[in-house]
Amino acid sequence: GAGVSQSPSNKVTEKGKDVELRCDPISGHTALYWYRQRLGQGLEFLIYFQGNSAPDKSGLPSDRFSAERTGESVSTLTIQRTQQEDSAVYLCASSQGQGGYYGYTFGSGTRLTVV
Amino acid sequence: GDSVTQMEGPVTLSEEAFLTINCTYTATGYPSLFWYVQYPGEGLQLLLKATKADDKGSNKGFEATYRKETTSFHLEKGSVQVSDSAVYFCALSEDRAGTALIFGKGTTLSVSS
Repeated sequence: GAGVSQSPSNKVTEKGKDVELRCDPISGHTALYWYRQRLGQGLEFLIYFQGNSAPDKSGLPSDRFSAERTGESVSTLTIQRTQQEDSAVYLCASSQGQGGYYGYTFGSGTRLTVV
Repeated sequence: GDSVTQMEGPVTLSEEAFLTINCTYTATGYPSLFWYVQYPGEGLQLLLKATKADDKGSNKGFEATYRKETTSFHLEKGSVQVSDSAVYFCALSEDRAGTALIFGKGTTLSVSS
């Protein structure tokens, strides 16, 4: 596609429920990244995919968070048993290659609110 | 580990004022450096980048020079406009496999007419 597409754009969920966030990267971009942006904070790195494998999962905050990518395309970020501290904007980005040389293209994010 | 430090905001300026947003970094190798901008209600956009020492990135009247000796990448603009009001993020990447962009905390710029 022309840009990175994320869905849903907004999600309100009850504490304890599971949520799935979706990211469609730019076609042909092999690298895909998930970040979290809490209100008034910077971007917190969560996980990185190169193709379908995830060499770096170091940023996932707990075992309630998981992510997968299939067909070197769509990625889903799953948060199980959501907590109020999970409320944030979840950003996905893709790039042509590894590392940051080409820069990233970001999606508009999913705003998650846990009530 | 690698890190990026930005000046605290918010930065409040009048239209046509000169802008500097300071950014310094810590890295083990020779990173590429970036400035991203997030306009209200929009996603992050790449503003400019520099991939080696002494390179100058520029876009939309903004400039930043990669200074290895001071490990800095300060963002400047000679005359800001109201439309420049946004959050600006400095970032670095080590440009090797398995690395992700590391962002600063962001600096909010508010320009009034």
